[in-house]
Amino acid sequence: DTGVSQNPRHKITKRGQNVTFRCDPISEHNRLYWYRQTLGQGPEFLTYFQNEAQLEKSRLLSDRFSAERPKGSFSTLEIQRTEQGDSAMYLCASSRGAGGENIQYFGAGTRLSVL
Amino acid sequence: AQSVTQPDIHITVSEGASLELRCNYSYGATPYLFWYVQSPGQGLQLLLKYFSGDTLVQGIKGFEAEFKRSQSSFNLRKPSVHWSDAAEYFCAHNNAGNMLTFGGGTRLMVKP
Repeated sequence: DTGVSQNPRHKITKRGQNVTFRCDPISEHNRLYWYRQTLGQGPEFLTYFQNEAQLEKSRLLSDRFSAERPKGSFSTLEIQRTEQGDSAMYLCASSRGAGGENIQYFGAGTRLSVL
Repeated sequence: AQSVTQPDIHITVSEGASLELRCNYSYGATPYLFWYVQSPGQGLQLLLKYFSGDTLVQGIKGFEAEFKRSQSSFNLRKPSVHWSDAAEYFCAHNNAGNMLTFGGGTRLMVKP
C-alpha cells in the first residue's frame, strides 16, 4: 500500500474564493472519509463514500461544501465562497470495508488558511 | 450522543518515565476503540485498537491500552517514554463502521 495521498498540503486563499482538495485513497479501499480538524481539536467527521456513492454527510458540511468521488477512486472536496471559519486541516482517510472493525488510514492532510 | 473525552489537554513527562493518557467514552454497545498519534504536520497514525476479547491490547512503538467497561475507559500507557514520542494523541471510537468520533486530544511533551 502506498498510503493515502492528499494534495495540496497547504492552501492559502482569500475570503470568497473557491478551493478544491484532492484525496487519493489506498488502492482497493472502497470507503473514503473526509474529516476537518481545527487548531487544538480532534478531527470531526464531514462525509464518507462507499465506492462512488456518498452515504452520509455531517451537519458540518454546509451548502458551500461539496464532495465527489466520481469513479470510486480519488475524491475531491470543494469549498465555495470560503470564509475565515473554514481555516482548518482537512483530513482524508480510507478503509477496506464496513463494520466497526474497519481501520481507517489517514493522509497527511491539507491545511487551509483563509485570509 | 456518543462522545469521547480526553481529560488531559497537555501532559509533560521526563524521558524514560512512564506514561498514561486517559480516555473515557460514552457508548452503550460494544465499542470499537482506537488510539491514533499525530506528529506536527502529519496525518494520524494508528497505534492500537480494541474490538473484543483480551482487554489489554498491544500496539506499535511499545504502547498498550486497557479497556475497562466498568469505568468506560480506554487508557493508553507506555512504560518508558522516548523523546520521539512527543506528539498529539487521539482516542476515537467507531460507530459501527462509519465515522470515527475523536476526543479532543492530549499533547505530550517529553523533557530530556
